[in-house]
This record gives sequence, structure tokens and C-alpha cells, in this order.
Amino acid sequence: GENVEQHPSTLSVQEGDSAVIKCTYSDSASNYFPWYKQELGKRPQLIIDIRSNVGEKKDQRIAVTLNKTAKHFSLHITETQPEDSAVYFCAAAYGGATNKLIFGTGTLLAVQP
Amino acid sequence: GAVVSQHPSRVICKSGTSVKIECRSLDFQATTMFWYRQFPKQSLMLMATSNEGSKATYEQGVEKDKFLINHASLTLSTLTVTSAHPEDSSFYICSARDSRGPYGYTFGSGTRLTVV
Repeated sequence: GENVEQHPSTLSVQEGDSAVIKCTYSDSASNYFPWYKQELGKRPQLIIDIRSNVGEKKDQRIAVTLNKTAKHFSLHITETQPEDSAVYFCAAAYGGATNKLIFGTGTLLAVQP
Repeated sequence: GAVVSQHPSRVICKSGTSVKIECRSLDFQATTMFWYRQFPKQSLMLMATSNEGSKATYEQGVEKDKFLINHASLTLSTLTVTSAHPEDSSFYICSARDSRGPYGYTFGSGTRLTVV
């Protein structure tokens, strides 16, 4: 079935360092890969996304890379700041016309000042 | 931008009663809506996919007779938790796809359900 694995489950970095979160998806037909930041009790907030026809996308301090062959995609945050601390989820769109989003297990990122 | 309104934000109900959660797309037509459940410190688990005017498609392990989903219009989907039990206590979030494009998932603000 559809599955998205995400690692690590927790990540602690020093302010200014980089953080990398990795995900693997199971369905080679998946074509859309968003990343979300979620604060406690709030809705997920889209921070960046990538489509299957692109290998890399960057938005200021955030970048996402996609390896379709390996079915891997990763989130890279550079120059981390304490306000980057949150739970991050990757997701993959499955299912043809419905394109349902299946979420990874989440990564709790703590940026130490 | 696209906005999805979800109500109520919090609800407390007694065991055995039913609770209805509404998800409304305010400025776009949502051909497809998704319902997720999120337990504390866990991920968003997809419960079902609803398409306007047709029956919802439930994920494996989700009881369709317990979680009733209605998507009667292009702007409104409802989730009714029937005969609620304490183990149904969770954070429920809807998501709507904008029919104007192939992608674009907008999330509601979520409903914290507590069954006592």
C-alpha cells in the first residue's frame, strides 16, 4: 500500500547549522511532494513543494531535492533559527485522479540558540 | 489565496453521542476533500477521500459506519463521528483540493474532539 517513511524522528541542531530531513515513498507513480511545518494544535503549513518533473527547488533558506529513481526526497534548511523549531512532515500524492496526500511520520526539529 | 473553514475548533461530547464537523471551502470549489485524524505526537492519518456527489472512499481500517462523510456540494463536506467513544478523541483536520489546478491542498484549522 501507500507508505511514506521519514527520518529522523527527532533532530536537534545548533542555531546557524543546517538540518536535513529525508523521506522515502513507495509508489513510483507519485507526482507531487510537499513539505509541511506544523505547530502544536495548528494546521499544517506548506513550506515548499516539488513536482516529479523537477529534481530540486529552493526558496531562500529552504530547499527540497527529489530522486525519482530511488524514490527519495529531502528537505534542507540552512542557517537554522530558533523559530524553525517545529514538527515537519513530508507527504506524497498518490492515487491518480484523487491525488490523496499520504504523510510521513514527522520530524521534531529543535534549534538550540 | 484558498481558504478552508472548519468548525467547530473544539468540541467535548459524552460517550455514545454523535458529533458533526464541517469543512467549507470559502473561495474555491473543492472537487475533492480529505479527512485526517491526528493523535498526539503522531502524523496525520488519512481517514477518507470524499468527492462531491458520490460516496466517500475510506482508508483501510476506518469504519465507514462510524465516521460518516457527506460531500453534498462543491464547497461543503461534513464528518460525523457516531456513537463516540473516548478512543475517538483526537484532532481531526480536513483538506480540500482546488479544482482549478492539479495541485494545491488547503487545510482546515482542525477540530479537537474530546469524548468524556
